[in-house]
Amino acid sequence: QQPVQSPQAVILREGEDAVINCSSSKALYSVHWYRQKHGEAPVFLMILLKGGEQKGHEKISASFNEKKQQSSLYLTASQLSYSGTYFCGSLEEGDKIIFGKGTRLHILP
Amino acid sequence: DGGITQSPKYLFRKEGQNVTLSCEQNLNHDAMYWYRQDPGQGLRLIYYSQIVNDFQKGDIAEGYSVSREKKESFPLTVTSAQKNPTAFYLCASSLYEGAGELFFGEGSRLTVL
Repeated sequence: QQPVQSPQAVILREGEDAVINCSSSKALYSVHWYRQKHGEAPVFLMILLKGGEQKGHEKISASFNEKKQQSSLYLTASQLSYSGTYFCGSLEEGDKIIFGKGTRLHILP
Repeated sequence: DGGITQSPKYLFRKEGQNVTLSCEQNLNHDAMYWYRQDPGQGLRLIYYSQIVNDFQKGDIAEGYSVSREKKESFPLTVTSAQKNPTAFYLCASSLYEGAGELFFGEGSRLTVL
């Protein structure tokens, strides 16, 4: 079963913040985050491992709570280049990575 | 430059024909994956392989077949048994199965007429 992402879509003005959530009904060993622009391949953002860690990459950070089987991606002071579809992927037993349906993010100037 | 190459980028086939999508990587990665992407459905796992001569079914393997005879190659065959084959297919690889970053190819768009 695919992880559930919310919201499905969000529209922001440049400079605003956004949070994208990812939850799973199965135990999560790790969580991947990717961004895909229209017509392109998904691009890796970050991986979060067990331990409730939080990672950051410039103005994009994420948290992972394995007890709640949830992860959140935080985009602060969004830029036009952040537009795209964001996918979370959960590492499940058997070493397979299952992705959610994605969250479409559109940044307006 | 290292990377993943998928071919063809666009493919049109008649209903009932088998088609094979190519995926080659020169990253020396052990794990390779095939995902299918449909609008609003995200990326759904078809097959994955962690080592040569071994592969496992993903969530939507019915109507598809794969082989892993070489470390760098993981071709996907869409058979006539796949009821709705028109989709965007993405191949990916990672150095460490599961825990490593996925590197994706540019994808192959298959249209069955």
